[in-house]
Amino acid sequence: QVQLQESGPGLVKPSQTLSLTCTVSGGSISSDSYYWSWIRQPAGKGLEWIGRIYSSGSTNYNPSLKSRVTISVDTSKNQFSLKLSSVTAADTAVYYCARDSLLYSTSYLSNYYYYYGMDVWGQGTTVTVSS
Amino acid sequence: DIQMTQSPSSLSASVGDRVSITCRASQSISDYLNWYQQKPGKAPKLLIYATSSLQSGVPSRFSGGGSGTDFTLTISSLQPEDFATYYCQQSYNTPGFGGGTKVEIK
Repeated sequence: QVQLQESGPGLVKPSQTLSLTCTVSGGSISSDSYYWSWIRQPAGKGLEWIGRIYSSGSTNYNPSLKSRVTISVDTSKNQFSLKLSSVTAADTAVYYCARDSLLYSTSYLSNYYYYYGMDVWGQGTTVTVSS
Repeated sequence: DIQMTQSPSSLSASVGDRVSITCRASQSISDYLNWYQQKPGKAPKLLIYATSSLQSGVPSRFSGGGSGTDFTLTISSLQPEDFATYYCQQSYNTPGFGGGTKVEIK
């Protein structure tokens, strides 16, 4: 039973860098079948995907946050991390880490199609940006 | 960027009602569409992936359909534990979520 747990400071000052870590237990972060994602949710609002990393270190980021986001992986510790720079009050949110799993694949005429979904989530951690 | 738009943003329904939620993509995403359920104070839970495939353990009263740009999540007979907020998410390229639909008790 894979579990994810976010950790990091709950309070960050404006203009500083938010740093969070997600620890994966019960499974390997190095598996070929998964991306590892960060998602956030301001209080009372919807979900915003921040970015993801593959075990190889390959990353994808939300274009709206790309200039401020860095996601990294430490396979030796079975962890992946989020850094968000130059934070403002607008970055105050619950931050979730999630496993984005390859749930289904198919092929047609030598083309391959892969279907991913976020099937395991951490419990979330609240980060407040305030001086 | 693919924009995902859900409607309605909220709805009121009674136990036993059939409920449908719509999700529209700003461009075709084929069938790369997932649905999540989120209850207050909890992380989202994957319900449906690839438009219509039920995630393991999800009750069969949940179903999904659609293709291209228009998708639907249907709950055939609403149960007390189904009152929650539902999000669609496209997995066609870098992920993106819809704004959510809150299902409330009438």
